[in-house]
Amino acid sequence: AQSVTQLGSHVSVSEGALVLLRCNYSSSVPPYLFWYVQYPNQGLQLLLKYTSAATLVKGINGFEAEFKKSETSFHLTKPSAHMSDAAEYFCAVSEPAGNKLTFGGGTRVLVKP
Amino acid sequence: KAGVTQTPRYLIKTRGQQVTLSCSPISGHRSVSWYQQTPGQGLQFLFEYFSETQRNKGNFPGRFSGRQFSNSRSEMNVSTLELGDSALYLCASSSDRAHNSPLHFGNGTRLTVT
Repeated sequence: AQSVTQLGSHVSVSEGALVLLRCNYSSSVPPYLFWYVQYPNQGLQLLLKYTSAATLVKGINGFEAEFKKSETSFHLTKPSAHMSDAAEYFCAVSEPAGNKLTFGGGTRVLVKP
Repeated sequence: KAGVTQTPRYLIKTRGQQVTLSCSPISGHRSVSWYQQTPGQGLQFLFEYFSETQRNKGNFPGRFSGRQFSNSRSEMNVSTLELGDSALYLCASSSDRAHNSPLHFGNGTRLTVT
């Protein structure tokens, strides 16, 4: 069975500082990995996805993630946090068949002015 | 293009009742998945439908069921509601069944069971 672990349920960063959200996965097959963001009272919005084409994946809103097979990690970063980045972020891995996603527990990001 | 639409946005039900939630996928999308989101358990997969067939099912009791219509719209039903069924129910659609296709989520239906 596949699983995803997100280290840190809450992260606090200052505006303009680096955002780093950690995600580790376990998968018996080459994984497809995703990062989603959820704003209050909304559904999930796709930030980026890894599908083995390139290890460094660029997404929307200035986010990017690096796939490291040796570390089974897919950490999400943004060089400079903005107030609008305050949200909850979810890392997810896809099952080999169909559209079933297994999500990590989520990391809530607070951005301080 | 309109996004995924879920109705209603909010529901309040009493224990023992049943409820039906509706989801209209993005036009042209044939895969519809349902997820339950709670503070304690996080995001959990309920089931996925593709072309009116259930192709994948999560670990939920039989009280949770769903279906998909020929126009790809989907409904999920929860019978004999329990307090623990209080959650945000999210529907997501995708253009195909390939497991690297991104899911597009609706804003959810928040169900409160009293």
